[in-house]
Amino acid sequence: DQQVKQNSPSLSVQEGRISILNCDYTNSMFDYFLWYKKYPAEGPTFLISISSIKDKNEDGRFTVFLNKSAKHLSLHIVPSQPGDSAVYFCAASPKNAGGTSYGKLTFGQGTILTVHP
Amino acid sequence: ETGVTQTPRHLVMGMTNKKSLKCEQHLGHNAMYWYKQSAKKPLELMFVYNFKEQTENNSVPSRFSPECPNSSHLFLHLHTLQPEDSALYLCASSQANRGTQYFGPGTRLTVL
Repeated sequence: DQQVKQNSPSLSVQEGRISILNCDYTNSMFDYFLWYKKYPAEGPTFLISISSIKDKNEDGRFTVFLNKSAKHLSLHIVPSQPGDSAVYFCAASPKNAGGTSYGKLTFGQGTILTVHP
Repeated sequence: ETGVTQTPRHLVMGMTNKKSLKCEQHLGHNAMYWYKQSAKKPLELMFVYNFKEQTENNSVPSRFSPECPNSSHLFLHLHTLQPEDSALYLCASSQANRGTQYFGPGTRLTVL
């Protein structure tokens, strides 16, 4: 049973346009969400995160939106660049007993983003 | 992010071999993790160590044996593996109680 789902295996976008990557989750205990980017033959690189107390977090060209009622988050990349072409993973972490979020990340399957020049 | 290193980057082993994967983090973190990524599957958490103590074993077969001698080093000892264990093995680290994990480049393991 996959608790974190990325239903689009791939996405193709023109350079300069917006890329929107989506992620859905089922576990209501998740309260910290992250996006990672992965190039072939490299480990995942952390991009941006969001805590459940927020609905938006922005860092340069990257913005993550969280809709808790829908259990949905999305990553917006504006403007998209060819160097953004990679696999993007969303991940979620539950609160621990102490009320903080750590440790047990659950990942989605990933979405392959291709940005065409 | 080059703060987490893994060796070797590639490993081919037979089912009767014993080998070890090594991970080292230079970020001053106190939690370390092993993940497995099989083809067309999400990353699967295998083990979690906080302050050198194992706090999570995600039902991993005993042919995988982790070791964490200190907060900077993590090993994964492998013995009598099966071909289906062929995968990318990733190490990560974080501050305990903070969700952002930083990954190494991974070891591509092939079991013949």
